[in-house]
Amino acid sequence: GAVVSQHPSWVICKSGTSVKIECRSLDFQATTMFWYRQFPKQSLMLMATSNEGSKATYEQGVEKDKFLINHASLTLSTLTVTSAHPEDSSFYICSAGSGLSETQYFGPGTRLLVL
Amino acid sequence: RKEVEQDPGPFNVPEGATVAFNCTYSNSASQSFFWYRQDCRKEPKLLMSVYSSGNEDGRFTAQLNRASQYISLLIRDSKLSDSATYLCVVKQNSNYQLIWGAGTKLIIKP
Repeated sequence: GAVVSQHPSWVICKSGTSVKIECRSLDFQATTMFWYRQFPKQSLMLMATSNEGSKATYEQGVEKDKFLINHASLTLSTLTVTSAHPEDSSFYICSAGSGLSETQYFGPGTRLLVL
Repeated sequence: RKEVEQDPGPFNVPEGATVAFNCTYSNSASQSFFWYRQDCRKEPKLLMSVYSSGNEDGRFTAQLNRASQYISLLIRDSKLSDSATYLCVVKQNSNYQLIWGAGTKLIIKP
């Protein structure tokens, strides 16, 4: 199956720091990538949908100026958590889909801890 | 009302037992249905898609009732390795967006 990687796998940072998370589709071109957030014992919550070369579509309640998404190529999307605070600590997961399949392929996730 | 609702769990069952998961969805226009499993601190992985006619994959059987907007997953002869959280997922339109249930945690005991 298709492979999606995320980097870094975990981050510990001080409050006020900006953190960039990369999501890469390794063996296919991802026309659409999704960014999710999962708090402990809760389900995945979609944050935003990004299509290559266009602005991301954010879900209600997700601040686009705080969670910057860039999808500059068909194999790379980045999520930047700007001025991270402890309440941003969460498990961030990306997924990618291609035009040839309905299946979404998930990255392994990035665990963010803001102190 | 949540768009996708699942049994709250957790389910604690002995090894070898049969386990049934239930899920309901609110949007009658939903097009595709899936069961994912998620291990602790890992990303979700697709377990199986759910088709209108029902489908089976080894010990796993999934069924869909569009009239009742209900999806089920049955695990027979449960193994210790089946312990995980099972997530019911619904796709509503053509842009891949998935709607996730909160998940039901399954704990298989020896």
